[in-house]
Amino acid sequence: NAGVTQTPKFQVLKTGQSMTLQCAQDMNHEYMSWYRQDPGMGLRLIHYSVGAGITDQGEVPNGYNVSRSTTEDFPLRLLSAAPSQTSVYFCASSSGIHNSPLHFGNGTRLTVT
Amino acid sequence: SQKIEQNSEALNIQEGKTATLTCNYTNYSPAYLQWYRQDPGRGPVFLLLIRENEKEKRKERLKVTFDTTLKQSLFHITASQPADSATYLCALDSARNSGNTPLVFGKGTRLSVIA
Repeated sequence: NAGVTQTPKFQVLKTGQSMTLQCAQDMNHEYMSWYRQDPGMGLRLIHYSVGAGITDQGEVPNGYNVSRSTTEDFPLRLLSAAPSQTSVYFCASSSGIHNSPLHFGNGTRLTVT
Repeated sequence: SQKIEQNSEALNIQEGKTATLTCNYTNYSPAYLQWYRQDPGRGPVFLLLIRENEKEKRKERLKVTFDTTLKQSLFHITASQPADSATYLCALDSARNSGNTPLVFGKGTRLSVIA
């Protein structure tokens, strides 16, 4: 099992560019989420999904879009990158919303110049 | 306001000793609390989950306690080894039994076990 796969591992963008961070899981998990991790701030939730076709905002959703057309995939879109979006992004999945451990990918390190 | 605080940003201990990490929360009423380990350049990895009606949970050299009166969880690693060096994160459900509510994380404690 690959678990949660994130691509790319590293990305450099210029301000104003757009891109999509990819996340795929092969565990048939209903719940998926995106976090960003910044020094001194810890993990902060961006968006999450409890199943295909359902998404919701987390703590820091501005500047990011998500969609969930399949159970396996949960891409995160940056519409117009800003230097404040420089961060490490983690995708996570679990079998359910309550009491279920999260399985994390190994992250995408994004730098916006 | 709601807060999750892991009291030490960094903790250094000697090999063989017990490491104790603290997670305190304010204005949450979690039904459960989880602990994760994160190594540099990697995603967090789940270690233990403890429910509100459980005082203590153990897994090999790991022990977690959960005191809902003190609003605190303690995470212990006994007989610590240099390989235990990592950042440890606590996480809790942010809205009790309210349906689709994801985990909220503390900022983590970086543990260094010195040989």
